[in-house]
Amino acid sequence: KNQVEQSPQSLIILEGKNCTLQCNYTVSPFSNLRWYKQDTGRGPVSLTIMTFSENTKSNGRYTATLDADTKQSSLHITASQLSDSASYICVVCMDSNYQLIWGAGTKLIIKP
Amino acid sequence: DVKVTQSSRYLVKRTGEKVFLECVQDMDHENMFWYRQDPGLGLRLIYFSYDVKMKEKGDIPEGYSVSREKKERFSLILESASTNQTSMYLCASSLTTERTIYEQYFGPGTRLTVT
Repeated sequence: KNQVEQSPQSLIILEGKNCTLQCNYTVSPFSNLRWYKQDTGRGPVSLTIMTFSENTKSNGRYTATLDADTKQSSLHITASQLSDSASYICVVCMDSNYQLIWGAGTKLIIKP
Repeated sequence: DVKVTQSSRYLVKRTGEKVFLECVQDMDHENMFWYRQDPGLGLRLIYFSYDVKMKEKGDIPEGYSVSREKKERFSLILESASTNQTSMYLCASSLTTERTIYEQYFGPGTRLTVT
């Protein structure tokens, strides 16, 4: 069964600290993996898209990694800010039909 | 900048009412999507459309229908709203070319409550 699992479900860290969010998937065939940020009450906004051949991709303080062999991805946030408080969603795109398999998200709370 | 707008941010309807959710995008995207988002679950695709007047069922189409009469507009219709359709509804649009990674752009969402 094609699934995307994210951990932890929720995370609370102090402003200025770093954190890493995990995404494991069992999707096949694989096309690409995306990380979205969703502020409360808003639609998701894309952070990164990674293909099979890309191991690391950065977007400002956000760095995503992909290990296609172990089917794992992580999103690392450096020097967290209050505005980073949001849900972070991992999404895997299937190669066969461009179907998107969505994770349930990790809710990140940054405390001052 | 791509802009996807949805007709309402919050909507309260009664059981049995017919509900229309409207979505408009301004970037001439071929594809448009309707999702629902519930706590603890990933986004679930209801319907999508890859061209005017074309539609495809997603993972959970039961109880919903869609209409795409113009390229920029995609409507989601709840024929007879039920309480289990209380949810956040998200519209998205994207370009697509063959074998090209495409980005989905989302609207702000409509939080629908059915009482």
